[in-house]
Amino acid sequence: NAGVTQTPKFRILKIGQSMTLQCTQDMNHNYMYWYRQDPGMGLKLIYYSVGAGITDKGEVPNGYNVSRSTTEDFPLRLELAAPSQTSVYFCASRRGTGSGNTIYFGEGSWLTVV
Amino acid sequence: AQSVTQLDSQVPVFEEAPVELRCNYSSSVSVYLFWYVQYPNQGLQLLLKYLSGSTLVESINGFEAEFNKSQTSFHLRKPSVHISDTAEYFCAVWDTGRRALTFGSGTRLQVQP
Repeated sequence: NAGVTQTPKFRILKIGQSMTLQCTQDMNHNYMYWYRQDPGMGLKLIYYSVGAGITDKGEVPNGYNVSRSTTEDFPLRLELAAPSQTSVYFCASRRGTGSGNTIYFGEGSWLTVV
Repeated sequence: AQSVTQLDSQVPVFEEAPVELRCNYSSSVSVYLFWYVQYPNQGLQLLLKYLSGSTLVESINGFEAEFNKSQTSFHLRKPSVHISDTAEYFCAVWDTGRRALTFGSGTRLQVQP
C-alpha cells in the first residue's frame, strides 16, 4: 500500500552542492508532479510529466531538472543549490484520464540549503 | 491561468463550534475545484471535490463545500469541529493547460479546547 514514496525525507545541503530527490509511485499513474511548499505561499508547481519520456515546466522550474525514464519514477535534480531552494518538496501522481481524478501526494522532503 | 484565493491565513476556533474556510476562484467557463487537507508533517490528502452536478459536496468526516457560481466561491464548512481537525487546508483549481492543480496559499485551522 505504498502509493507515492519520496526520499530522502530530510536533507541539508551547502550552497552550490547538487542533489536528487527521488520519487516513485506504484499505482501505474501516467501523470506525475513536483511541487514546492513555502510558508504562506501554498504549493507551486515545479515540473510535471504526462508519461514516460515527456516532461514540462510548471510555474517555478528555474534551478531544477527532471527526467521520466519509467512510469514509476520521477526524480527531481537540484543543480547548484541556493538558499532560495530551502523548502518542502512534494511529489504527486494521478491516473491520466479525466480532469477530476484525484492527485495523490507523497509525504514530502524537507530541504535546507545553508 | 485559473487561480484561487484563500482569504484567511489562520482561523482559530473552539472545539464544537462551526467553521467556514473561504475560497474564491477566478471565473471560467468550466471549473473543477478541490479541497485538500495537510496534517502536521504529512503530505496532502483530498478532502472533497466539485466536478459537476450538485453544488453541495461532502466529505466522509463531516466537511462540506458549496460551489457558488455567481459569487465564484467554494467555501468549506463544518458545523462542529474537533481537535483532530487542526490542520492546514488548501483550496485548489484544476489547470486544464498544465493538467495539474493550482493551489491557494492555505488556511491554518486551529481548534482549541
